[in-house]
Amino acid sequence: GIQVEQSPPDLILQEGANSTLRCNFSDSVNNLQWFHQNPWGQLINLFYIPSGTKQNGRLSATTVATERYSLLYISSSQTTDSGVYFCAASYNDMRFGAGTRLTVKP
Amino acid sequence: DTGVSQDPRHKITKRGQNVTFRCDPISEHNRLYWYRQTLGQGPEFLTYFQNEAQLEKSRLLSDRFSAERPKGSFSTLEIQRTEQGDSAMYLCASSFTHYEQYFGPGTRLTVT
Repeated sequence: GIQVEQSPPDLILQEGANSTLRCNFSDSVNNLQWFHQNPWGQLINLFYIPSGTKQNGRLSATTVATERYSLLYISSSQTTDSGVYFCAASYNDMRFGAGTRLTVKP
Repeated sequence: DTGVSQDPRHKITKRGQNVTFRCDPISEHNRLYWYRQTLGQGPEFLTYFQNEAQLEKSRLLSDRFSAERPKGSFSTLEIQRTEQGDSAMYLCASSFTHYEQYFGPGTRLTVT
């Protein structure tokens, strides 16, 4: 199956800083998603982005499918951005990375 | 659209007992997926259905696990003879073909 690697595993920021989370995947995909997992375990959809660039407020994402990586950008981070961010990629069965744990300090 | 729902939200059982979880997908979605997540890890794929057909099963899905989606709508995941290692969050998701997956709130299983 597809292998998904995320970096960095942990990230600590001051409020207002920008950050970039990276996701590498090992094979061709027809689905790539970014999620934020809240403290209760719910996976919140951030982006469905098998290729190209999308933006939603302070968040944006870019996937370069030919080079098998995706980036999630968080600008002007807020304490409410804290939590675990997962990248997941699939051709049929979806594989998740180990996540990036983001802590935003006030 | 009420989203993906799962029942129960929490289950505590004794080792050796059988448990069954239910997932109701988004109504127009034809694919339904089951995942398992342990503490500090990302979700791991278990199995998925397209309509009522089970198309793929992970090697993680031992003989004690069985999943069904009898009418192509809701799905059940049964674990027989539970073990302490089965303690985890069980997540269900649905999608229209290979497009964006939407997750339910999960069922947290604790085996004592």
